[in-house]
Amino acid sequence: DTGVSQNPRHKITKRGQNVTFRCDPISEHNRLYWYRQTLGQGPEFLTYFQNEAQLEKSRLLSDRFSAERPKGSFSTLEIQRTEQGDSAMYLCASSFPRGPYNEQFFGPGTRLTVL
Amino acid sequence: KQEVTQIPAALSVPEGENLVLNCSFTDSAIYNLQWFRQDPGKGLTSLLLIQSSQREQTSGRLNASLDKSSGRSTLYIAASQPGDSATYLCAVNTGTASKLTFGTGTRLQVTL
Repeated sequence: DTGVSQNPRHKITKRGQNVTFRCDPISEHNRLYWYRQTLGQGPEFLTYFQNEAQLEKSRLLSDRFSAERPKGSFSTLEIQRTEQGDSAMYLCASSFPRGPYNEQFFGPGTRLTVL
Repeated sequence: KQEVTQIPAALSVPEGENLVLNCSFTDSAIYNLQWFRQDPGKGLTSLLLIQSSQREQTSGRLNASLDKSSGRSTLYIAASQPGDSATYLCAVNTGTASKLTFGTGTRLQVTL
């Protein structure tokens, strides 16, 4: 399977715990995006990388959130001291700017539940 | 700030009907527009992408149009099938960062 993959698919944690999610983009895609989607809403942009550089962060990304993309390959999104309001689907997407129209391809998401 | 609105929020149609989903956006300075499908609890599947210079794109039974000047796009689904039941999301791409701004989606149910 050459699509975007995300792990884990589901995560249940207690309030105050730290969690980390991983995204593996389509190979050769140098742009990687993180979005968050709450129930009944469209996804909201969190942050994006071009290669290993994090070029933009949304105001939604509080200081409890950190994202990395070492070596410009996979990316991790860490949430520290989770809160119930962090419960959402976290979606990763990748794109290849020189490809057709910079189309973004999404992974299956990681559903986070904070108890 | 770009805002995207989708109407209707939900739609139920009998199998075989043709239908139109609407998307509007407030800032016409877009790079492109994508339509996605999302099944319950799943990720997003890209259906069609229209560049800002294009008027429409077609894929099978799907046709998407774009009127950038009026800030509108439509997704036309011909001869709907129960397997088309899903939430359809419209997203616009503005700026060099290419981040997408999404609408809240239209939940479609196609009944037998």
